[in-house]
Amino acid sequence: GAVVSQHPSWVICKSGTSVKIECRSLDFQATTMFWYRQFPKQSLMLMATSNEGSKATYEQGVEKDKFLINHASLTLSTLTVTSAHPEDSSFYICSAKNSGRGSEAFFGQGTRLTVV
Amino acid sequence: GESVGLHLPTLSVQEGDNSIINCAYSNSASDYFIWYKQESGKGPQFIIDIRSNMDKRQGQRVTVLLNKTVKHLSLQIAATQPGDSAVYFCAETYTGNQFYFGTGTSLTVIP
Repeated sequence: GAVVSQHPSWVICKSGTSVKIECRSLDFQATTMFWYRQFPKQSLMLMATSNEGSKATYEQGVEKDKFLINHASLTLSTLTVTSAHPEDSSFYICSAKNSGRGSEAFFGQGTRLTVV
Repeated sequence: GESVGLHLPTLSVQEGDNSIINCAYSNSASDYFIWYKQESGKGPQFIIDIRSNMDKRQGQRVTVLLNKTVKHLSLQIAATQPGDSAVYFCAETYTGNQFYFGTGTSLTVIP
């Protein structure tokens, strides 16, 4: 149990376009999901906390108008990178907490975004 | 946010030896910690966790030690195997929700 799935795994887009990444908890309900960004050979940086049915909470320095987060159901959160630029190219990873299972967060497999 | 790594330390060990990976965390209010393993191109995978009311916890082939005085965590892997080669991160939380990741260490196991 506790599987988190991201889609797509890999996406290439043109500069100026928007890209949507989905994060799904497949076998549990997640009232809270988290979005991270990871550059090569670096650590994961928390971008925002996604709360079901309410607005996301963004970490300091993360542009909320650039990275739109929607958490419309207990099993789905989406991250939309708007007007993407090459510097947005990164590995985006989501995680989800099982509402009924304490503190552990389960991670998706990540989405590799390349903006050309 | 919390501590963010800019350079990834590396550790090379011989197969069969024990590995010790260290992590310094930044927030003295953090009360729950997790070690994650990340293989190339994949998301982090849970290894072991520890709460701040403990100083040691053991799993299968892994042990986590917590020293709150100096805000230090270590992960010990016994009888390291080639499949253990990956990047290891510690993550801390003081909210019970948001996890902040440490620098990470790249472990290479030499057959």
